[in-house]
Amino acid sequence: DAKTTQPTSMDCAEGRAANLPCNHSTISGNEYVYWYRQIHSQGPQYIIHGLKNNETNEMASLIITEDRKSSTLILPHATLRDTAVYYCIVRVAGSGNTPLVFGKGTRLSVIA
Amino acid sequence: EPEVTQTPSHQVTQMGQEVILRCVPISNHLYFYWYRQILGQKVEFLVSFYNNEISEKSEIFDDQFSVERPDGSNFTLKIRSTKLEDSAMYFCASRLAGGYQETQYFGPGTRLLVL
Repeated sequence: DAKTTQPTSMDCAEGRAANLPCNHSTISGNEYVYWYRQIHSQGPQYIIHGLKNNETNEMASLIITEDRKSSTLILPHATLRDTAVYYCIVRVAGSGNTPLVFGKGTRLSVIA
Repeated sequence: EPEVTQTPSHQVTQMGQEVILRCVPISNHLYFYWYRQILGQKVEFLVSFYNNEISEKSEIFDDQFSVERPDGSNFTLKIRSTKLEDSAMYFCASRLAGGYQETQYFGPGTRLLVL
């Protein structure tokens, strides 16, 4: 699976959009980009994933650049409860039981 | 919405004792996983399980560890003789199938403390 690079930490004002970047410059054509978050030692929570098109669900939007070398997770109206560590993970589609490989992620602090 | 559940939420044990951590995956899921996270460190993969056998395991998953699906709903992780360094959060995860349904869903974790 391709390696990802994320900033160590970010701050965001409550109510504003949080834009979390992820670089995956070595991604290949059959690799998905997954985003998970972990709120204070709870289990990782799935947020969203995509292959090449932008995706949106009730939690967030995922914007993937045309060359697929980077992506941005957008939380449109961050709340204090969005304070967490956010993980960007690249994974080959159809890779069976190959596990998720977690990096250090981005620690997002939402500030009142 | 269906979710992965884990019991107990906390477990304290003495070094050398056996512990069994329990997980109930999402009901129609077919693939099961255990991960762990030592305090302040990354989430690490331990083992994956499909069709009643281990599919993949990490080097952490040595002979002290075993997994079992004793019935149609539970998935367990057993540590035969716990060590101090086994103290960690243990997360169970499950997923439905392949393709777009490869998303793994995690349980809330069991915090294991070995004294």
